[in-house]
Amino acid sequence: EAQVTQNPRYLITVTGKKLTVTCSQNMNHEYMSWYRQDPGLGLRQIYYSMNVEVTDKGDVPEGYKVSRKEKRNFPLILESPSPNQTSLYFCASSALFSTEAFFGQGTRLTVV
Amino acid sequence: GESVGLHLPTLSVQEGDNSIINCAYSNSASDYFIWYKQESGKGPQFIIDIRSNMDKRQGQRVTVLLNKTVKHLSLQIAATQPGDSAVYFCAERGSGNTGKLIFGQGTTLQVKP
Repeated sequence: EAQVTQNPRYLITVTGKKLTVTCSQNMNHEYMSWYRQDPGLGLRQIYYSMNVEVTDKGDVPEGYKVSRKEKRNFPLILESPSPNQTSLYFCASSALFSTEAFFGQGTRLTVV
Repeated sequence: GESVGLHLPTLSVQEGDNSIINCAYSNSASDYFIWYKQESGKGPQFIIDIRSNMDKRQGQRVTVLLNKTVKHLSLQIAATQPGDSAVYFCAERGSGNTGKLIFGQGTTLQVKP
């Protein structure tokens, strides 16, 4: 089954404690991206990657890091989480320049 | 800058009626406009897209209309069903060659039985 898998689905952490949210896709897609979803703000892109070892900032990259060492994986790293990073996060993948993005189930992160 | 917005945060319709969800956009350079559906507890799911040189495109029970003159996009759902209850996002593929999707804020569609 074609899918994007994120882990964990839910996470509560404390300010400053490094965390990683994993994302994996099995569709051999070149393009992967991370979004955060906040009430009233819709989905905002954090980082994207157009291929292995090619990453770039989206609209709200501050406080986040990503890596793309393999085509299927695109982890999101929060080196020092802060409460304003409390949000619902989505990973997505698509064929390059396709309008059809496939989203994961989401990771609800709470930073206290 | 680029922005995509929806006219109404919530739309309530009777089961069996047609639904129309509206969206305004600002970037005339976008080459595609897209609708996504997000059901509760799930990630957004692609519904339909329309290229900027088209006015109308039909899918299964859905029609997307694009009015470039007033920068307006709409999604029409025929014979709305309870399973259509969700948040609907319009999006545009931004200018430049990054393939970036820019999402609006979303409209919640509630279908009354």
